[in-house]
Amino acid sequence: DAGVTQSPTHLIKTRGQQVTLRCSPISGHKSVSWYQQVLGQGPQFIFQYYEKEERGRGNFPDRFSARQFPNYSSELNVNALLLGDSALYLCASTLGGPIGGYTFGSGTRLTVV
Amino acid sequence: DQQVKQNSPSLSVQEGRISILNCDYTNSMFDYFLWYKKYPAEGPTFLISISSIKDKNEDGRFTVFLNKSAKHLSLHIVPSQPGDSAVYFCAARETSYDKVIFGPGTSLSVIP
Repeated sequence: DAGVTQSPTHLIKTRGQQVTLRCSPISGHKSVSWYQQVLGQGPQFIFQYYEKEERGRGNFPDRFSARQFPNYSSELNVNALLLGDSALYLCASTLGGPIGGYTFGSGTRLTVV
Repeated sequence: DQQVKQNSPSLSVQEGRISILNCDYTNSMFDYFLWYKKYPAEGPTFLISISSIKDKNEDGRFTVFLNKSAKHLSLHIVPSQPGDSAVYFCAARETSYDKVIFGPGTSLSVIP
């Protein structure tokens, strides 16, 4: 079974540009979460989607947005990129419910120059 | 305001000995606690979890202890192996939002 897949794996963008990151969850998983991990820190929660609805949002500016599609895949969009947006962006999927264990993808490394 | 804290950025342990990684939290609404392991260039991998209604959960070489009154949990790895060298994240789930909040991580080095 395929795990959580994210694309692209690496990306370099210029300040002010816009970026779209993509995530395909494990088959059967209806919940997708996005995290930002800056070097030396733990993953920071950005969004969670379940059944195409936003279930949670972290402390990120409105430049960050996301959506989930009918096939449960998801996109994270970041507008007006800043240097500080450079990070590893992780997508995680879960069945939801009391199990609690997310399965993470390998992430997209975004570098803003 | 950091709700999940791991106050030791790094830890070195001799192979075969016990590794103890500590974690503190501040939010009483957390109902599930999880440990993840992360190797470079990979996403975090789920290791073990514990419900807030339990005080211990064991899985092979890994045991997690929860002290709710102290808002403290720890991960014990016995015996430690060189392959355990990684960054370990403590995480907590807030049921009402089904979101998982991570600590800053502890880098474990197991020395052969």
